Amino acid sequence: EVQLLESGGGLVQPGGSLRLSCAASGFTFSTYAMTWVRQAPGKGLEWVSAISGSAISTYYADSVKGRFTISRDNSKNTLYLQMNSLRAEDTAIYYCAKCYGGGAWDAFDIWGQGTMVTVSS
Amino acid sequence: QSVLTQPPSASGSPGQRVTISCSGGSSSIGRNHVYWYQQLPGTAPKLLIYWNNQRPSGVPDRFSGSKSGTSASLAISGLRSEDEADYYCAAWDDSLNGYVVFGGGTKLTVL
Repeated sequence: EVQLLESGGGLVQPGGSLRLSCAASGFTFSTYAMTWVRQAPGKGLEWVSAISGSAISTYYADSVKGRFTISRDNSKNTLYLQMNSLRAEDTAIYYCAKCYGGGAWDAFDIWGQGTMVTVSS
Repeated sequence: QSVLTQPPSASGSPGQRVTISCSGGSSSIGRNHVYWYQQLPGTAPKLLIYWNNQRPSGVPDRFSGSKSGTSASLAISGLRSEDEADYYCAAWDDSLNGYVVFGGGTKLTVL
């Protein structure tokens, strides 16, 4: 069964850091681009970042550029999101998702259950 | 970075047909595929339509997508109570370094 399982969310103070993980199973992880999408409480979906299967290419939303870093370890079938200089507006459920094709521009066909990040003092 | 424009709400009675629009620009919908996601209350989003009008296996043919120029739409026919959800359109925008843009979401109410 194809599955994505996020972890690492929690409560962090403004200016702090957090690293999210997304463990993948049931498919050849290294073949597919992966992405992070977030959803603030009561709000819509916001794309955060994406990474190619080989990790050569990365993409970021302007709102997180310079603060967040996406990476992957294909030997561990795991996707990461390192979040630094966190702000209150980063409070959201963070979903990882698998890209349907090889590119970050393709559909997000498999989603994890999400992990909640709360930035508050 | 730009966003796609959707109506915030839509509604219909059981059995009716409802359409949800999604408007973008030349660098997003105008040049790239459109995707639609359904998010039931309290759950993760689910892919509903890919490549403008393709349905993943398991998605009923009551759901259909179309695209014309810089706009797209999602149609739901034979509306059912379980279709009550939030619907989001999305597309790649290849301006600058490239990024994904989502619509603001449309909350569908089945009356």
